[in-house]
Amino acid sequence: ELKVEQNPLFLSMQEGKNYTIYCNYSTTSDRLYWYRQDPGKSLESLFVLLSNGAVKQEGRLMASLDTKARLSTLHITAAVHDLSATYFCAVGRNNDMRFGAGTRLTVKP
Amino acid sequence: NAGVTQTPKFRILKIGQSMTLQCTQDMNHNYMYWYRQDPGMGLKLIYYSVGAGITDKGEVPNGYNVSRSTTEDFPLRLELAAPSQTSVYFCASSLQGTGNTIYFGEGSWLTVV
Repeated sequence: ELKVEQNPLFLSMQEGKNYTIYCNYSTTSDRLYWYRQDPGKSLESLFVLLSNGAVKQEGRLMASLDTKARLSTLHITAAVHDLSATYFCAVGRNNDMRFGAGTRLTVKP
Repeated sequence: NAGVTQTPKFRILKIGQSMTLQCTQDMNHNYMYWYRQDPGMGLKLIYYSVGAGITDKGEVPNGYNVSRSTTEDFPLRLELAAPSQTSVYFCASSLQGTGNTIYFGEGSWLTVV
């Protein structure tokens, strides 16, 4: 069964600091997604990673994928308050997609 | 620029009632999905469809039914609502093939009392 674990589940960080969110999954997959969700809102797609070693960056966020370790990371550089949200990873295999529980990120001044 | 549209946005149901959540997309996507999100949790796949006339169960299908008579529409029906179905429901769509972005609707907040 495809299972996805994220950690940490809660993250409080100061503006200007760096941090990494981890996403581990249990079986081989063919794609990995990162999403952002603001309170009471829908999910916004951040990244889609398809192959081993894939790295994508958008602004202060960078995502990477290691399919051999079944691990993806979302790295936050020099955090700003606007990045406060819940971040989900999701792993796809065939037509199935499983989500992690989410990391609730709070960036404090 | 509608994307994925869900209705209603909020609904309160009594135990045992039935209702249909509507979902339509205008991007000509062949894949459509229904997810539920319980408070503080990730999304769980209820049903999905790879094209008109084709549907399949996801991780948590019990208590729900779907149909896909057109490419645009993918309604989710709740039969005999139970408190355990209190959740936020998200419809989503994507183009066929791996690696394509999945677009989500705004969500439907359902409470069963």
